[in-house]
Amino acid sequence: QKEVEQDPGPLSVPEGAIVSLNCTYSNSAFQYFMWYRQYSRKGPELLMYTYSSGNKEDGRFTAQVDKSSKYISLFIRDSQPSDSATYLCAMTPGGGNKLTFGTGTQLKVEL
Amino acid sequence: GAVVSQHPSWVICKSGTSVKIECRSLDFQATTMFWYRQFPKQSLMLMATSNEGSKATYEQGVEKDKFLINHASLTLSTLTVTSAHPEDSSFYICSANQGTGGDYGYTFGSGTRLTVV
Repeated sequence: QKEVEQDPGPLSVPEGAIVSLNCTYSNSAFQYFMWYRQYSRKGPELLMYTYSSGNKEDGRFTAQVDKSSKYISLFIRDSQPSDSATYLCAMTPGGGNKLTFGTGTQLKVEL
Repeated sequence: GAVVSQHPSWVICKSGTSVKIECRSLDFQATTMFWYRQFPKQSLMLMATSNEGSKATYEQGVEKDKFLINHASLTLSTLTVTSAHPEDSSFYICSANQGTGGDYGYTFGSGTRLTVV
């Protein structure tokens, strides 16, 4: 079993839809949870970061962490074609330790 | 925000030659840098972790003599692919960390696409 599980997709939605992306994990030491967006042939770009359990909102993006269920989510409201990318969840115990990534979910937002 | 510059963005080299990739943190000091490799449609695979002034820690299965990592300063780490072969062709990405888990804790470079012919 992988430490972090993420549905690889691909996920195709119409413009304006609400997108829900999810990851589950098994390591209870993880304290910091991140979502990265990666366009083709580019490095990952940090979208959202959450420490421990809770919600965080930034514009059209909302990140949720439920440590009791070992489950994290990223919601994208009013999705745009420019949101088409691969979304990677990542997590770490912190303190400079390495990130553990999910496999990434490929999202396509169609006009 | 924190910026990590990675250079070159792409490189083509002949089989048997060596290639050096640079990763610089532009506006912060990176206590730890990470090097990843990514194959098409796959996630990032961690190759090694380097701390400034120390030897890099390689992940299992990564040849340390083939992938030489130097982290000589708090703003620069280099990855040298020695005696490159076509199977080393891949997308290499670095990440720099300031030693905290904050918003700027892990910043990625833009990646280097290596093609060995």
